[in-house]
Amino acid sequence: DTEVTQTPKHLVMGMTNKKSLKCEQHMGHRAMYWYKQKAKKPPELMFVYSYEKLSINESVPSRFSPECPNSSLLNLHLHALQPEDSALYLCASSLSGTGDEKLFFGSGTQLSVL
Amino acid sequence: QQQVKQSPQSLIVQKGGISIINCAYENTAFDYFPWYQQFPGKGPALLIAIRPDVSEKKEGRFTISFNKSAKQFSLHIMDSQPGDSATYFCAASMGSGANNLFFGTGTRLTVIP
Repeated sequence: DTEVTQTPKHLVMGMTNKKSLKCEQHMGHRAMYWYKQKAKKPPELMFVYSYEKLSINESVPSRFSPECPNSSLLNLHLHALQPEDSALYLCASSLSGTGDEKLFFGSGTQLSVL
Repeated sequence: QQQVKQSPQSLIVQKGGISIINCAYENTAFDYFPWYQQFPGKGPALLIAIRPDVSEKKEGRFTISFNKSAKQFSLHIMDSQPGDSATYFCAASMGSGANNLFFGTGTRLTVIP
């Protein structure tokens, strides 16, 4: 199984809603990532978990809250988002988190904030 | 500041032609150069990657050419097919840590039949 599975595929939420994005992998990878991708732009790194510990937070606003319950699961909790947060949210994983490892991306959650 | 510069922004190629996408970097600490392919509605997928100790790497119809002295690398897609139509991102990294992986701005390739 070389897949990273993300749910939901699409999400529409209001600015006062609370929602969560879910990511799952069963490749035994110990590094998991959240990226944000705007249309026609490259992915931008948000968070990195390494061995279930948050190792990188790229100065992301607190309305985005990551959680890694175990080595296979990664969540992104969303609260009080702004319309400019609308984007494709990508989860990725790699073996252990070094920069020259192959990143396996999920298909993403297309988020629209109204 | 864009660490990896990519061109062109978009590219239209006839079926069977050669698609060429170029990237340039300044930081000589970069030591790994992957290319990612992204289809609409999907996440990026690693296509091919090279390290600076070789000047060329070929995998099927895809070739990376690497010029260390010029700090440039390029992706060549031979015999381009409509199924190759996607956005291609070059990237560069400098060792450990995902925050050391820098993406180019992307090239939208369209292969017309």
